[in-house]
Amino acid sequence: AQRVTQPEKLLSVFKGAPVELKCNYSYSGSPELFWYVQYSRQRLQLLLRHISRESIKGFTADLNKGETSFHLKKPFAQEEDSAMYYCALGGSNYKLTFGKGTLLTVNP
Amino acid sequence: GAGVSQTPSNKVTEKGKYVELRCDPISGHTALYWYRQSLGQGPEFLIYFQGTGAADDSGLPNDRFFAVRPEGSVSTLKIQRTERGDSAVYLCASSSEGPNTGELFFGEGSRLTVL
Repeated sequence: AQRVTQPEKLLSVFKGAPVELKCNYSYSGSPELFWYVQYSRQRLQLLLRHISRESIKGFTADLNKGETSFHLKKPFAQEEDSAMYYCALGGSNYKLTFGKGTLLTVNP
Repeated sequence: GAGVSQTPSNKVTEKGKYVELRCDPISGHTALYWYRQSLGQGPEFLIYFQGTGAADDSGLPNDRFFAVRPEGSVSTLKIQRTERGDSAVYLCASSSEGPNTGELFFGEGSRLTVL
């Protein structure tokens, strides 16, 4: 069974501070991990995926198979980063399994 | 249109009624997904279409839920004998890529309220 855990429902930081949103997964096969983001009054959209090894809007995420984690990090948070973030797991099937999400608030 | 379109954006109905929710995917996208998002939860998989056929409907909660995609484009999610527990945001997503690549383009959702 596929499972994604995001332990923090809410995360609040000040502008310019580092931010880390945690994601752990459970999957017996070869995982593919994603971060999706939903800004206020906007639709859910892909932020980044582990296979691309890219940095988007200053965010990065490294897949750690030993710890079964895919934490999302940004060294200096901006107010426009305030949003709902969902970690998602795909595998040898076509379903994405989403975590419950973390609401990030970046305070001025 | 430029993105995935879902109608209606809001639907209020009474317990026991029948409801249809429509999804118009991005043109040319062969894969179409329905998800359900309850308050405080992440999106939960319902069904996946590849072309006209339902490749996997294992996420449909029971036989009151059914979805079709007769021409491989627009899809309709149908809920019979609605219950209060069906209240949620129903999200549709489409993708041009094959399985496992994961970039889903979501609609804005249809918020269903069952009184």
